[in-house]
Amino acid sequence: DAGITQSPRHKVTETGTPVTLRCHQTENHRYMYWYRQDPGHGLRLIHYSYGVKDTDKGEVSDGYSVSRSKTEDFLLTLESATSSQTSVYFCAISESPENSPLHFGNGTRLTVT
Amino acid sequence: RKEVEQDPGPFNVPEGATVAFNCTYSNSASQSFFWYRQDCRKEPKLLMSVYSSGNEDGRFTAQLNRASQYISLLIRDSKLSDSATYLCVVTSNQAGTALIFGKGTTLSVSS
Repeated sequence: DAGITQSPRHKVTETGTPVTLRCHQTENHRYMYWYRQDPGHGLRLIHYSYGVKDTDKGEVSDGYSVSRSKTEDFLLTLESATSSQTSVYFCAISESPENSPLHFGNGTRLTVT
Repeated sequence: RKEVEQDPGPFNVPEGATVAFNCTYSNSASQSFFWYRQDCRKEPKLLMSVYSSGNEDGRFTAQLNRASQYISLLIRDSKLSDSATYLCVVTSNQAGTALIFGKGTTLSVSS
């Protein structure tokens, strides 16, 4: 399995608090992604990165920010968590999005109360 | 037309059955195609890539029909352990956001 670690695995937080999720890879892949998965919606892209300090928005980026200061780490921040951000968050990595598959971390289950 | 469409199922089949899933995609320029498997409360995992000539991996066969813009996954001799959600994935035409996921087809294999 690809070396991807997400932390924390589970988190419960209150509305309005900031939350940061971490994704760490040991594969030295250039591309990293954050997805959320909700019933009825499937996997939806939040933000992605194509290199250190190079990031862009995905389909559902509102309320989220990201940072990538090192190749191996990609952070997802919820500046002020809302109940609609209760979800399962997956990080993924890829060598080349045009023709390589994604490899996923094992997810972070976030509950905002 | 949605970018990637799958029949959500569920497909309920007995052990030993053959089952097939189809997936249609809208971007005729898509170049790469994959099937992923996702178990309940787990991350998606790559099952197999789909090549133009079709490809087989044990009991699993994937095929691509570019003219009709669909890919298929055939599972022969179903096992209980095949119960999962199967996600169809295709490349998009947007740089960086290159992979588009279907919502998945749920398979339940019973004894």
